Amino acid sequence: DQQVKQNSPSLSVQEGRISILNCDYTNSMFDYFLWYKKYPAEGPTFLISISSIKDKNEDGRFTVFLNKSAKHLSLHIVPSQPGDSAVYFCAASEWGGYGQNFVFGPGTRLSVLP
Amino acid sequence: DTEVTQTPKHLVMGMTNKKSLKCEQHMGHRAMYWYKQKAKKPPELMFVYSYEKLSINESVPSRFSPECPNSSLLNLHLHALQPEDSALYLCASSQAATSGYEQYFGPGTRLTVT
Repeated sequence: DQQVKQNSPSLSVQEGRISILNCDYTNSMFDYFLWYKKYPAEGPTFLISISSIKDKNEDGRFTVFLNKSAKHLSLHIVPSQPGDSAVYFCAASEWGGYGQNFVFGPGTRLSVLP
Repeated sequence: DTEVTQTPKHLVMGMTNKKSLKCEQHMGHRAMYWYKQKAKKPPELMFVYSYEKLSINESVPSRFSPECPNSSLLNLHLHALQPEDSALYLCASSQAATSGYEQYFGPGTRLTVT
């Protein structure tokens, strides 16, 4: 049973437009959420995070929104650039008492078209 | 310096071999992680070390044996692996294993078991 879901396996966006990547989770104990970007043959690169006490966090072109009641978060990239083309993983963590346990979603492949 | 290094980049081993994967970080992080990632799947947590002590072991078979010789190094010893263990093995580190710290990933070791 997937605790973190990314229902869109892929997304194509025109350069300069907004990319919106969505993520849903089922575990109400998750208290910290992150987005990672992954290029082929590389490890995931941390992009942006948000804790459960906030509903928005912004860093340059990247903004993450958290809706706790809907158990939903989204990543907005504005403006999208061809270099943003990668697989984006949503991850959630909870303090399990023995350490932080990260759970990753299945990923969304973003293609930004020039 | 936000780099996590992993060696080797690629490894091919037979089912009777013994090999080790190595991971190193010099960010002063006190938590280190091993993940396994199969093709087109999200990373799956295997082990968490916090202050050089194993704190989470996600029911990983004993043919995988982690070791944390000091706060900068993390090894994964491999013995009698199966072909289905072929995957990308990712190491990550974070400031602490408590909630609220992002993980920095290495580039991974691509393991093929023949």
